[in-house]
Amino acid sequence: DAGITQSPRYKITETGRQVTLMCHQTWSHSYMFWYRQDLGHGLRLIYYSAAADITDKGEVPDGYVVSRSKTENFPLTLESATRSQTSVYFCASSGQGRTDTQYFGPGTRLTVL
Amino acid sequence: DAKTTQPPSMDCAEGRAANLPCNHSTISGNEYVYWYRQIHSQGPQYIIHGLKNNETNEMASLIITEDRKSSTLILPHATLRDTAVYYCIVSSRGSTLGRLYFGRGTQLTVWP
Repeated sequence: DAGITQSPRYKITETGRQVTLMCHQTWSHSYMFWYRQDLGHGLRLIYYSAAADITDKGEVPDGYVVSRSKTENFPLTLESATRSQTSVYFCASSGQGRTDTQYFGPGTRLTVL
Repeated sequence: DAKTTQPPSMDCAEGRAANLPCNHSTISGNEYVYWYRQIHSQGPQYIIHGLKNNETNEMASLIITEDRKSSTLILPHATLRDTAVYYCIVSSRGSTLGRLYFGRGTQLTVWP
């Protein structure tokens, strides 16, 4: 199906484990983004990417790693999960152009025990 | 990016127009106004955007004041499914690479 998808939708892990959240879009959008959403903080940008092999930090990058070897995929890795990374994670993408319309995935709810 | 100010909550009767205000007094000339909404537990959904002219699509209308310091999102016939948090965002392309800064938004509750 066309669009932007995230997997898994729900994940429970333990402190110290490595976790990778997947994001896939079928629009060939250049830009992709990772946000986290926590009560009281709204949506905060973790990392973003302007194109394959180009990534940059957002507001809250510590503890996260991203890669973008293919335009359509933008995985987010928590190298050593901590309880403070319990959150809902949203991936988004947008195409090139003057406007910044972003299209969001359904989210991944991550719990770190 | 310029900041926006929205009321924390509003309500509206089903079938009536919902008018959601947003102040963005520090908006610069190349910044667009975007509206997104987020229905509980779902990803944010794009609604509409504009630069200086009023815009309308199948979901809503966007009215931007002439000085561009404020705008109003209008849902012409609100339904229960429009209950969501609505975010007003101003953003521009360029060095920010299209980053969007989401504030707290307005919780719109549509009641029967």
